[in-house]
Amino acid sequence: ETGVTQTPRHLVMGMTNKKSLKCEQHLGHNAMYWYKQSAKKPLELMFVYNFKEQTENNSVPSRFSPECPNSSHLFLHLHTLQPEDSALYLCASSFDSGPSYEQYFGPGTRLTVT
Amino acid sequence: QQQVKQSPQSLIVQKGGISIINCAYENTAFDYFPWYQQFPGKGPALLIAIRPDVSEKKEGRFTISFNKSAKQFSLHIMDSQPGDSATYFCAASLNNAGNMLTFGGGTRLMVKP
Repeated sequence: ETGVTQTPRHLVMGMTNKKSLKCEQHLGHNAMYWYKQSAKKPLELMFVYNFKEQTENNSVPSRFSPECPNSSHLFLHLHTLQPEDSALYLCASSFDSGPSYEQYFGPGTRLTVT
Repeated sequence: QQQVKQSPQSLIVQKGGISIINCAYENTAFDYFPWYQQFPGKGPALLIAIRPDVSEKKEGRFTISFNKSAKQFSLHIMDSQPGDSATYFCAASLNNAGNMLTFGGGTRLMVKP
């Protein structure tokens, strides 16, 4: 275990549904991230939170809405998704500065949009 | 614009052989270059990382070779084992944003027994 947990592990949702992905880290980190991993595409950074403040939004469509209530929890709220949004969504955490920038990843949520 | 290009996309190596994965980057301001390993059903995990002040870093069977002038770096897996079969990602980041990683496209490695 990496110290980063994600729920649910698998999610199937229709295009009109609303769902949320949850991430929790037990490593004392102060930065958390959402990535999208699709087949045949590099890992895409979606959002970055440092000390609960969003510092990066990589032109992600508004149908993805992140929430970071504290430095240990991160959510990704989903609504009116498209089939091309089907992917593995990975959460990661790290320290935001210092000699090591190692990011610890959770196992991901496999999302299928029907 | 993909700032880190990784090759090959897939690689098959016999047990005991050397696996070599290459990455090239465009942004000369990058100064932290990690490699991540991902097994099926798991998230990526840091394998080894290098900064451009050294040309090589070795940890066990894994070695990063770095060529700053060519803007290239590579991962060498010596004595490859079936347990090394995984997807490998190179990445790069800027010093003032070290936690903002740009990933390569990934290489799926299969080591045959």
